[in-house]
Amino acid sequence: DGGITQSPKYLFRKEGQNVTLSCEQNLNHDAMYWYRQDPGQGLRLIYYSQIVNDFQKGDIAEGYSVSREKKESFPLTVTSAQKNPTAFYLCATAWKGESYNEQFFGPGTRLTVL
Amino acid sequence: AQRVTQPEKLLSVFKGAPVELKCNYSYSGSPELFWYVQYSRQRLQLLLRHISRESIKGFTADLNKGETSFHLKKPFAQEEDSAMYYCALSLHFSGGYNKLIFGAGTRLAVHP
Repeated sequence: DGGITQSPKYLFRKEGQNVTLSCEQNLNHDAMYWYRQDPGQGLRLIYYSQIVNDFQKGDIAEGYSVSREKKESFPLTVTSAQKNPTAFYLCATAWKGESYNEQFFGPGTRLTVL
Repeated sequence: AQRVTQPEKLLSVFKGAPVELKCNYSYSGSPELFWYVQYSRQRLQLLLRHISRESIKGFTADLNKGETSFHLKKPFAQEEDSAMYYCALSLHFSGGYNKLIFGAGTRLAVHP
């Protein structure tokens, strides 16, 4: 489990502020993903990246941004343009050798907008 | 459009009873399906995948292409099976990209 770390565990933000959620991995996995988990809606994909310096929008990318400057790191910025940012955010990684099918998840960050 | 449907938000059973968590999918290609589980205070993790046709912790899931279903079953539920279960569909894109589409999840509560 320690292979993927997310920080902080809890984050509070005032409306109009941008915040950045950290995701770091030492599994040497190629792919990294950000999901948003809301009650009754399952996991929805925000962004994903399968190589350094490249990333793709997921199903709900509006109001979010990412970067992938290092293989180990995939930070997610929640901007003020995100209309309803209060949620639980999960980072995941996957290995190319498994065709990226098995995803390994971090412990999550709970973001609350005050 | 690709979609995964888990019709039950909550499934409540007694210990020793059979369990079936339903999952239906919508996908025009050949599906690759998975079940993920999240126990209390633990991370979301892979439970099983249809390709391997394995039994994990007594759970099995059979892909039924005719009914577009991938239901998760266990003949005798245990209290430690209480968790949130997600069905997921894998999508592959040109360029080698891959992503999972998750259902809304079913919470299984096994009572003593």
